[in-house]
Amino acid sequence: NAGVTQTPKFQVLKTGQSMTLQCAQDMNHEYMSWYRQDPGMGLRLIHYSVGAGITDQGEVPNGYNVSRSTTEDFPLRLLSAAPSQTSVYFCASRQTDSLYNSPLHFGNGTRLTVT
Amino acid sequence: GESVGLHLPTLSVQEGDNSIINCAYSNSASDYFIWYKQESGKGPQFIIDIRSNMDKRQGQRVTVLLNKTVKHLSLQIAATQPGDSAVYFCAERRRDKVIFGPGTSLSVIP
Repeated sequence: NAGVTQTPKFQVLKTGQSMTLQCAQDMNHEYMSWYRQDPGMGLRLIHYSVGAGITDQGEVPNGYNVSRSTTEDFPLRLLSAAPSQTSVYFCASRQTDSLYNSPLHFGNGTRLTVT
Repeated sequence: GESVGLHLPTLSVQEGDNSIINCAYSNSASDYFIWYKQESGKGPQFIIDIRSNMDKRQGQRVTVLLNKTVKHLSLQIAATQPGDSAVYFCAERRRDKVIFGPGTSLSVIP
């Protein structure tokens, strides 16, 4: 199993450009989520999904859109990039069939720079 | 020593000593707590977890303690090794959201 796969690994955008960060998992996990990681601030939840067709906002959703058309994929879209969105983005997934003992599995991140 | 602000709190320990990393969580409704380890250039990796109805859980060389009275979580690493050098995050789950703390950087001195 590949686990959680994120592409691209690195991306540079100009202010106002749009792009989609891809995330795919092959563990048949219902739950998927996106975090951003900034220096000294830990990981902050952007959006999450408890299953195909269902998405919800996390702590810092502004400027980002998500969709969940399949169990495997959970893309994150930046419609008009801003320098404040320069960060490392992590996608994570977990099982939801058990209430406990279901830690998140993370991808290796996408490092995004907006100039 | 420790530093705060934009820099992560840092813990330096001698190889072979025990490490204790502390975390304060914010919401008494959180029902599940997890410790993650993040090495440079990688995503966080699961270390150990604990349910809110427990106060201690042990794994291989790691122990998590939960004090719900003061909303405090700790991670103890026995016989710390150079490979334990990383950033450690605690996380709490509130319903469908998993919220992370700011992290602590552990540096192991050979």
